[in-house]
Amino acid sequence: DTEVTQTPKHLVMGMTNKKSLKCEQHMGHRAMYWYKQKAKKPPELMFVYSYEKLSINESVPSRFSPECPNSSLLNLHLHALQPEDSALYLCASSQLPAGDPGYTEQYFGPGTRLTVT
Amino acid sequence: KQEVTQIPAALSVPEGENLVLNCSFTDSAIYNLQWFRQDPGKGLTSLLLIQSSQREQTSGRLNASLDKSSGRSTLYIAASQPGDSATYLCAVRGNYGQNFVFGPGTRLSVLP
Repeated sequence: DTEVTQTPKHLVMGMTNKKSLKCEQHMGHRAMYWYKQKAKKPPELMFVYSYEKLSINESVPSRFSPECPNSSLLNLHLHALQPEDSALYLCASSQLPAGDPGYTEQYFGPGTRLTVT
Repeated sequence: KQEVTQIPAALSVPEGENLVLNCSFTDSAIYNLQWFRQDPGKGLTSLLLIQSSQREQTSGRLNASLDKSSGRSTLYIAASQPGDSATYLCAVRGNYGQNFVFGPGTRLSVLP
């Protein structure tokens, strides 16, 4: 099973709402990633969790708050977003974090299409 | 800082043609390179992963090559089909624990 699942598929939220995105993998991967992708642009890395600890935060605004409750689950908590935060949010995982010997490929989920009104 | 470019930005070909997509990177100190396919509004599907010690990888009608010294990778698609229509992205992971840097992608249309 090489599947990364994401819920919900679509999310519409107002600027005062609080919502969460969820990502799950059962491949035993020890690294998980959040990316943001705007239309016709490549994915941009937001956060990396290595062995359930936040290892990289690419200067993401605090209105995005990641959480890794266990090795299979990754959440992205959203609060007071702006319309320019509307995008496709992609989760990915890899067997090992970048920097560990034997790091292999990344597997991506289908994404959550977020619209902020 | 690693920069990744892809040429062409868009490509339209008739069904059955063989085609080549190009990926260039500025820092040759890479750990591996991964090619992805993305359908509109969907996630990324991994196509091929090439480690820095490898010259090429093959999967079905796809063949990816890597020339680290010149900072280039190519994705060769044989006998293209309308179902190959998608955006193709390459992503390069540098040495020293760096994460992937994506190219802007090539939008491919294969016409029936």
